[in-house]
Amino acid sequence: GESVGLHLPTLSVQEGDNSIINCAYSNSASDYFIWYKQESGKGPQFIIDIRSNMDKRQGQRVTVLLNKTVKHLSLQIAATQPGDSAVYFCAENAGYSTLTFGKGTMLLVSP
Amino acid sequence: DADVTQTPRNRITKTGKRIMLECSQTKGHDRMYWYRQDPGLGLRLIYYSFDVKDINKGEISDGYSVSRQAQAKFSLSLESAIPNQTALYFCATSDVGANEKLFFGSGTQLSVL
Repeated sequence: GESVGLHLPTLSVQEGDNSIINCAYSNSASDYFIWYKQESGKGPQFIIDIRSNMDKRQGQRVTVLLNKTVKHLSLQIAATQPGDSAVYFCAENAGYSTLTFGKGTMLLVSP
Repeated sequence: DADVTQTPRNRITKTGKRIMLECSQTKGHDRMYWYRQDPGLGLRLIYYSFDVKDINKGEISDGYSVSRQAQAKFSLSLESAIPNQTALYFCATSDVGANEKLFFGSGTQLSVL
């Protein structure tokens, strides 16, 4: 999962496995959360979002789970593919003007 | 064509030089942002603008300034570049009422020697 520091947490999986990337957020007032994917040499791209009145949301091959009690967010990727290799960021919004980003987790998918 | 375009893609400069990074967008969004990305530190907000007449400081605005020349253009300047401003810089946009969902450009890698 994500953590403070200069070394990016890394998750290594085999192609076809399910991946789970975790994120601990800091602000109990946050009511909106987003996951972004950043491939090498590109800007972050939106994957999926969830509001605090939900605890689960599904997209195509991705699911986001929200546990407000412990301030934890996770991104599940089903049947991970080599093209899923990237850095994944969670971001939170507490109703202020802007998003606060986590420090990222690198996902490496081996064929 | 990219919706959010940043120029240049790469820049190497020397300490003390003035540098401008440019961003233009064709998404028609009112809101624009500049972020900085450092290895292991994620994305940190430098400045943001909710419309042409609005400029706001972000988390790390010291040493930077911005100009919102038009709805579609938002530039970031380093008046006197220093080595610790070496980083990857991203411009982003968002729509009114959906300001949380950001659309990013491809980034500008800046190296200050």
